[in-house]
Amino acid sequence: NAGVTQTPKFQVLKTGQSMTLQCAQDMNHNSMYWYRQDPGMGLRLIYYSASEGTTDKGEVPNGYNVSRLNKREFSLRLESAAPSQTSVYFCASSERLRDQPQHFGDGTRLSIL
Amino acid sequence: QKEVEQDPGPLSVPEGAIVSLNCTYSNSAFQYFMWYRQYSRKGPELLMYTYSSGNKEDGRFTAQVDKSSKYISLFIRDSQPSDSATYLCAMSAGGYQKVTFGTGTKLQVIP
Repeated sequence: NAGVTQTPKFQVLKTGQSMTLQCAQDMNHNSMYWYRQDPGMGLRLIYYSASEGTTDKGEVPNGYNVSRLNKREFSLRLESAAPSQTSVYFCASSERLRDQPQHFGDGTRLSIL
Repeated sequence: QKEVEQDPGPLSVPEGAIVSLNCTYSNSAFQYFMWYRQYSRKGPELLMYTYSSGNKEDGRFTAQVDKSSKYISLFIRDSQPSDSATYLCAMSAGGYQKVTFGTGTKLQVIP
């Protein structure tokens, strides 16, 4: 019962470096999401994919890109990391767009120096 | 003003106590209300899901929604140390509308 798997779990980057956060789900869900969680801010939606082949911006998309590689996988890319992107990143999936529950991975803790 | 307000805590209670966690909101279009539980270093998991006003009970957990006051609550009876976690409220207007999360209340149940 893997559910939603995120890699890596931790990462430290220098300002300006790029990296891709990986997410895979094994529940045959159609919709996938990327959130960031910051102290005092709650979970904020970065990008989402309603179904394979589609992606859309959420509340805070600036500085990020996404790829829905196939039905299982949804990656988040930081092209030029900035200290403001230091956060915990969560991937989630649901059967259909905005369905509950959304199933979350255990997060990627990203620090940008 | 944030759309959803939640006291961050921390809230410390003795084992066996009744816990009350609350959120207020400003968007009258919200009609779906959720409570997620998040253990340290883990992702949130859905605990309770209610539609519109009223109560919903699941074991030791009861969710209440008062739409007239724009106020939702989660009650935990006979609290256990394993209930120690951060509790996030979340809500949406339904359909393809976004889900808005509260900032979370950290709960510690002391044995």
